[in-house]
Order: sequence, then structure tokens, then C-alpha cells
Amino acid sequence: QSALTQPPSASGSPGQSVTISCTGTSSDVGGYDYVSWYQQHPGKAPKLMISDVSERPSGVPDRFSGSKSGNTASLTVSGLQAEDEAYYYCSSYAGSNSPNWVFGGGTKLTVL
Amino acid sequence: EVQLVQSGAEVKKPGASVKISCKVSGDTFTDYYMHWVQQAPGKGLEWMGLVDPADGQTTHAEKFQGRVTITADTSTDTFYMELSSLRSEDTAVYYCALGNYAFDIWGQGTMVTVSS
Repeated sequence: QSALTQPPSASGSPGQSVTISCTGTSSDVGGYDYVSWYQQHPGKAPKLMISDVSERPSGVPDRFSGSKSGNTASLTVSGLQAEDEAYYYCSSYAGSNSPNWVFGGGTKLTVL
Repeated sequence: EVQLVQSGAEVKKPGASVKISCKVSGDTFTDYYMHWVQQAPGKGLEWMGLVDPADGQTTHAEKFQGRVTITADTSTDTFYMELSSLRSEDTAVYYCALGNYAFDIWGQGTMVTVSS
């Protein structure tokens, strides 16, 4: 069982927006602004899409955005495109607790 | 641009050890931790531990305590993760990932199969 809770699946049609949630506790998501999101296509390594709750690394489309409220973080993908179909994982720093970093179980995003 | 290149796939027997390498090329990396992440087949990601290349200090998830050794060889810009006392549940892809509080750059992954 993963430390952070994500819905197993999400879907949307091209051009639509979809939001994926990531729920933790006050010891991880709620305690630090160090939530990150990763995109993983089948057979590929994960790719950083959002760091520090809402920071977008260079090269990541601005269709991807992140936010946090309390113990729940969210990733929103706007203007869905076919290439956005992938697994998405959230992660949070958890301080001195072990493990120091935790992940969500992953969400399969399907573009209909 | 920093790139991480990992060693190739391994097949090991239960009880054996495996040592995976991760070579860094490109820009300087000493300001970042090198993390290791496990992904079992069809499963999610699990953080294993990290090394700080600035001083060699490491920290590990309790789950892997006593079985995992993470090291850095700054002379060759290469990092290593050794996992001992392998069991079938250790069959997974292992990734190195460079970053501090996020995992900014990932290696391509190394598949480790544990089978008798």
C-alpha cells in the first residue's frame, strides 16, 4: 500500500482538462512544499513534470500545473493531448520519517 | 545537460547480491543528491535511499536497511547501489535519479531479475 493515495485512473477527451489528486498526511504532503509529479510512459523512465508543488521545469508544457491544499496535492492537465496518456505519480518529502520520500500508487491517465 | 546512464540488466539467484552503476555526464552534480528508486513489475515507485556526493553521507528507507549500500565515486562521476540477500520480491527495475527534494533527472533503469 502506497503512502500517498491517488485514484487508479482518470480520463478525458482531447482538449479537455483533468485533475489528479494525491492525498497524504501532515507528515508529508501537508507538512512540506516539496510535492512533485512524474509522468511515465510504458517501458520508459519517469519524467519530472512538477516540482515544489507548482514549479514547472524547463521544457514541460504550461498545460501542466500543480497545486496543494492541506494534505492533498493536485495535478491538472489542460488541453489534453494524445501524448499525455501515461501513468502519473506524485511524490512528497516526508522529513526525517522513514522513508524520507514517499510516492503515490500512480494514476493511469487515458485520453479518450 | 546532465544525463544518467545505468548499467545493464542482471539475473541473480536468491541470496546473491547485485551492484548497479549510474554514470553522470554533462553538467556539475555535486549540489544534488543521487536517489535510488525501485519499481516492481506492474507496480508503482518506491524510494530506496540516497547519497550526498558532497560528503558521501547516505540515508535509506527502513524497508531496505541492512541490505542496501549506496556509494558515490566522484573521481569517475559514477554512483552505485548494491542490494544484498536478494529475494524474488526484489525483481524490479531500479532507477537512479538526481535531485534534491524532487527527482529531476532519471537514469534509463536497470532490470534486476531474481530467480532460481
